[in-house]
Amino acid sequence: GQNIDQPTEMTATEGAIVQINCTYQTSGFNGLFWYQQHAGEAPTFLSYNVLDGLEEKGRFSSFLSRSKGYSYLLLKELQMKDSASYLCAVLGTGGFKTIFGAGTRLFVKA
Amino acid sequence: EAGVAQSPRYKIIEKRQSVAFWCNPISGHATLYWYQQILGQGPKLLIQFQNNGVVDDSQLPKDRFSAERLKGVDSTLKIQPAKLEDSAVYLCASRVSGGALDTQYFGPGTRLTVL
Repeated sequence: GQNIDQPTEMTATEGAIVQINCTYQTSGFNGLFWYQQHAGEAPTFLSYNVLDGLEEKGRFSSFLSRSKGYSYLLLKELQMKDSASYLCAVLGTGGFKTIFGAGTRLFVKA
Repeated sequence: EAGVAQSPRYKIIEKRQSVAFWCNPISGHATLYWYQQILGQGPKLLIQFQNNGVVDDSQLPKDRFSAERLKGVDSTLKIQPAKLEDSAVYLCASRVSGGALDTQYFGPGTRLTVL
């Protein structure tokens, strides 16, 4: 079967660093996406990893280990506006179907 | 560049009624997706179009849901008749092509409440 696991909720303090983990088991793999979704809004693209390693983009970094079926999203210098849900999604093969995890709700407190 | 447009933004209906949602993807995007997102869950793919052809509709409840993308541009998603469990946000997304490196762009969604 296909499964994507992420923690349901996390809380962190403004200015701190937080790591959101994602593990996946899918029948095919063509890359992993992270999306940010504020309450009541559509998901917006954050990052895409297809090779092992760390991709850095400003305050956000994403890591992938294909052999372990594992990824994480690292958010540095947290701001209140980072309070949102973070969705891990795996792009399959054969038609490029995207499977989403349930999302991790991040609460940033002052 | 205009984003993915969806209408209506909100819809409230009673069970057993019918409802239709409309999506206009980003110009030039060949691939179009409809997702259902129930509160507290991630988006679940209902149907994927490549131009006006269906690529994947394996999770579309075909006894009550239907979708079409005539002329390979706009798309409509219909539910007939609606059930209570259909209450969700329906997201439309588009992508330039089916290529892996092309990210999906999501519309604002239609929030459906079935009473």
